[in-house]
Parts: sequence; C-alpha cells; structure tokens
Amino acid sequence: AQKVTQAQTEISVVEKEDVTLDCVYETRDTTYYLFWYKQPPSGELVFLIRRNSFDEQNEISGRYSWNFQKSTSSFNFTITASQVVDSAVYFCALSVNPGGSNYKLTFGKGTLLTVNP
Amino acid sequence: EPEVTQTPSHQVTQMGQEVILRCVPISNHLYFYWYRQILGQKVEFLVSFYNNEISEKSEIFDDQFSVERPDGSNFTLKIRSTKLEDSAMYFCASRGPRTGGNEQFFGPGTRLTVL
Repeated sequence: AQKVTQAQTEISVVEKEDVTLDCVYETRDTTYYLFWYKQPPSGELVFLIRRNSFDEQNEISGRYSWNFQKSTSSFNFTITASQVVDSAVYFCALSVNPGGSNYKLTFGKGTLLTVNP
Repeated sequence: EPEVTQTPSHQVTQMGQEVILRCVPISNHLYFYWYRQILGQKVEFLVSFYNNEISEKSEIFDDQFSVERPDGSNFTLKIRSTKLEDSAMYFCASRGPRTGGNEQFFGPGTRLTVL
C-alpha cells in the first residue's frame, strides 16, 4: 500500500522568507510518480509539478523548486521569497500502477502555509 | 486552456435523498476519477473509470455510490441514499491519453451538505 506523510501541519512565515514543505512517501513499487498540488482558500486543487521515480533531477521553476531524493523517499518543495498569494494548503501525492491503468492518487494530509505581510 | 468543470458548485440535500454530481472532463482525456475531501482533511480516492467501466474503487465507494459516463462527455457520481457523513467536497479529475503517471487535472469541486 502507498502512503504519503506530510509531517508539517501548519507553517507560518513572513513575506519574502523562504519556506520548505516536507513530503515523505512509501511504496514498494519501483515505478511511481510524485506530485504537488496547491489548494488555495477558494478550494480548487491546482497541479504544480510531477516527478517520475526514474528521474531524480531536481527542478526550479521561478520561485518554486523541488528536491526529490529516492534514498530518503522524500520529495520536498521550496518556495523562495514567499508572497501572500502563496498562502494555501499544499498536498503531496503519489501514484503507482501495479499492472493496471489506474494511477489513483494517494494524498498526504496537507500543509497549511500562511504567508503574512 | 481546457479544464474540468463540475456542477453544481454546492448541493444541499436531506439525509436519505439521492444526489447526482456532474463533471465534464477534459475532452481528449480517457481516465476519470472521483475523490472526496471531508472538511479540513486530506483528499481521498473514491473511484477510477476507464473504457466505460470502473477500474478501481476504494472501501469508501460502497453500494450507495455509482458512476456513469452516459453520453461520452459527462461523468457522474450518484449517491443513492445520502448520509450525514457523506458531507464533503467531491472532486472530479481526468487524466490524459498517454500511459504513465500523467498529472490529473481537477475540477473546482462540488460541496455536498447533507442535513
């Protein structure tokens, strides 16, 4: 069975601070996919990034960066120079496909990020 | 940019009533999903649907739930006899035609309130 753990329930920072959201995953599958989704106060789920298990290259996209480390089963997400608009719940998610065509997402419990002006 | 749409945005119903939640996935997507999120909790998988049949369902998805793709565009979730504990946000998602862990795109959700 798959499991995603986001140990940080809530994080509060002041605008322009950097913040890292932690995600640890568990799976026995050798091929899997990791995702980050953002849920702003309006409630929708916004896709941010996908990473494949066979691609450990880390990525930077503007103020966002991701650090994928298979050795520690972690997929952390960093926001540089945070802004008030970054305030949201951030979910880490995992999908696998053991012989089917399903790829259902298993979500962590989410981290509520509050960026104060 | 194509997006997943859901109607209604908010549904209030009495316990024991039937509700149908509607979704229009992105047009060239082949894989469809329903998830739910009880207020303040994590998003939970309910069911996946491919090639006009359920490919997987969770333990939450009991006999009170059903899904259908009646006309090739809409994707519906029916709850036959709602319970108080069915109150949640229900998200529809769809995934593209390529194999692999393509990202799922979510609709804005339907907030279901069972009184």
